[in-house]
Formats: sequence, structure tokens, C-alpha cells
Amino acid sequence: DAGITQSPRHKVTETGTPVTLRCHQTENHRYMYWYRQDPGHGLRLIHYSYGVKDTDKGEVSDGYSVSRSKTEDFLLTLESATSSQTSVYFCAISGGSGDGETQYFGPGTRLLVL
Amino acid sequence: LAKTTQPISMDSYEGQEVNITCSHNNIATNDYITWYQQFPSQGPRFIIQGYKTKVTNEVASLFIPADRKSSTLSLPRVSLSDTAVYYCLVGDTGNQFYFGTGTSLTVIP
Repeated sequence: DAGITQSPRHKVTETGTPVTLRCHQTENHRYMYWYRQDPGHGLRLIHYSYGVKDTDKGEVSDGYSVSRSKTEDFLLTLESATSSQTSVYFCAISGGSGDGETQYFGPGTRLLVL
Repeated sequence: LAKTTQPISMDSYEGQEVNITCSHNNIATNDYITWYQQFPSQGPRFIIQGYKTKVTNEVASLFIPADRKSSTLSLPRVSLSDTAVYYCLVGDTGNQFYFGTGTSLTVIP
């Protein structure tokens, strides 16, 4: 399995508080992605990064921001968490040598916003 | 932007071949087609990827017609452990990707 870790794996927080989720890779892949997964919606892209300090919005980016200050880390921040952001969040990476189009996923973070 | 459409669910008996079709009418020239498998409480896992015609690996085959507006994942002789959700993904590295809602496959003994 690709070397991708997510932290924390589980988090409970209250509405209005800031939350930061971390994705860490040891594969030196160029691209990193944040998805959320909700019942009835499959996986939806929140933001992605195509290099250090280079990011772009996905399908459901409202209420989220990201940062990538180094190749191995991609942070997802909920500035002021809302109950609608209760979800499972997956990080993915791609762009490895000779394997550019395949995305590899992390184990996920379960977030509950009360 | 290439969105995908798949059947919501399918049932199959053990040992049968299962074919899951995905429609992607707006596929772009540079887009690849990738299929993932997901078990509960886990991240999606790569199964197979292709650009055109047919691709086969040790676990599945992927059939892509010439117009590339659809693709079919073929799982030979499924077992109970193949019960999972299967996603078709169309996109190009560094661009937008749409997973859709996936196909929930249930393998019956």
C-alpha cells in the first residue's frame, strides 16, 4: 500500500470551532487530494494540490481551505466547523513515476461536528 | 468535466462473472478511466485503469469501446470477498475527478 497516513483518524468537535486534518505521504507524489464521503453521494473532491503551494478547488470547496507547504503534507482546514461537515474525509495521492494517473487513498478521518 | 453514471446496486452468485458498466459521456481526450473497490470503513483501492480498448490484470478486465463514452469492469468468478462498492473514475492527473455514487455489489453464496 502507498505510504499515506491521515491524522487524526477520528475527531469529535463542536460547531464553530476550527479543525485541521493532516495528510502525510512518504511516496514523493506530486498530486494530493482531499475528498469527503457521505451516504448517497459517494466521494466528492474538496480541494487538490498539484505541487507545493499550488492548490485548486474541487466540487465541494465551500467552507474548506487547504495548504501545502512541503511535498509530503497536505492540510485541510475547516475554519468554523458546521454539522453539515460531519463526514468521512479521505486523502489521496497520485503522480508517481510511471503510475501517474492512479490515485492511492489514505485510511480516512471520521469527523463528527456536534 | 466528466461525470460518471453507474447502476446503484447489483447482485451476483459466487463463481459468476460480473460486469459493471459506467457511462462517461463527457470524457476528455486526456482522461483515463480507473476503477476502484471500497470496503466499509476503508479508503478506495485501485483495481484497474485504461485509456482505450481492453486492459486485463490479475483481478479484473476493463473494456473500453472506441468512442470511450462508457467502460465495463469485468470481475471473473466472483467470491463473497468481492462484496463491496465499485467506483468508476474519469479524469486526468492534476484535474477534477468525479467519483459518482458507485455500484454496490453483493455476492450471494
